[in-house]
Amino acid sequence: NAGVTQTPKFQVLKTGQSMTLQCAQDMNHEYMSWYRQDPGMGLRLIHYSVGAGITDQGEVPNGYNVSRSTTEDFPLRLLSAAPSQTSVYFCASSNRDRTYEQYFGPGTRLTVT
Amino acid sequence: QKEVEQDPGPLSVPEGAIVSLNCTYSNSAFQYFMWYRQYSRKGPELLMYTYSSGNKEDGRFTAQVDKSSKYISLFIRDSQPSDSATYLCAIPQGLTGGGNKLTFGTGTQLKVEL
Repeated sequence: NAGVTQTPKFQVLKTGQSMTLQCAQDMNHEYMSWYRQDPGMGLRLIHYSVGAGITDQGEVPNGYNVSRSTTEDFPLRLLSAAPSQTSVYFCASSNRDRTYEQYFGPGTRLTVT
Repeated sequence: QKEVEQDPGPLSVPEGAIVSLNCTYSNSAFQYFMWYRQYSRKGPELLMYTYSSGNKEDGRFTAQVDKSSKYISLFIRDSQPSDSATYLCAIPQGLTGGGNKLTFGTGTQLKVEL
């Protein structure tokens, strides 16, 4: 049971480039979400999904897209990277009946130059 | 006023000390109170949580909630160097689309020294 996995671990992008951060979980969790962590700001919710085919915006969604075609995967796409998107990105998942109990992946450290 | 506030530390204690980590929150309607541990360059790991008021104990860790003062605490007994990490309190808030958003404190960095 690998839990929540994320790839890549590190990424450097130039301004304007696009990329997809991958997230997968093998716990059959219906609920998945993306957070970003910035110094002094804590973790903030970007997007979330309550199940396959359903996504919604969190508190900082601008510049990011998500889709959820399977229960296991929840990729996060950066459409046109900006230096303000330099951050550490975490994916989390939980059982739909216990969405307060979220389990996090190891993170992707992204730098946009 | 931030919804969840946490002293960032850093906090340095000798091995074996009792550690007290604290957060305050603003909304009296909050019911669940979570504690995560985050080692350097790793993801947050759910440590324990409490529902409503009272205490919850798990080994050397005790989580406590005082709803009258909107104050949550995590106590670590017999602290070990392996406890050196950043501790994050978090409060789940319901989302209109279903599920919960975790609102985190900024974390307290703890170092336990030999």
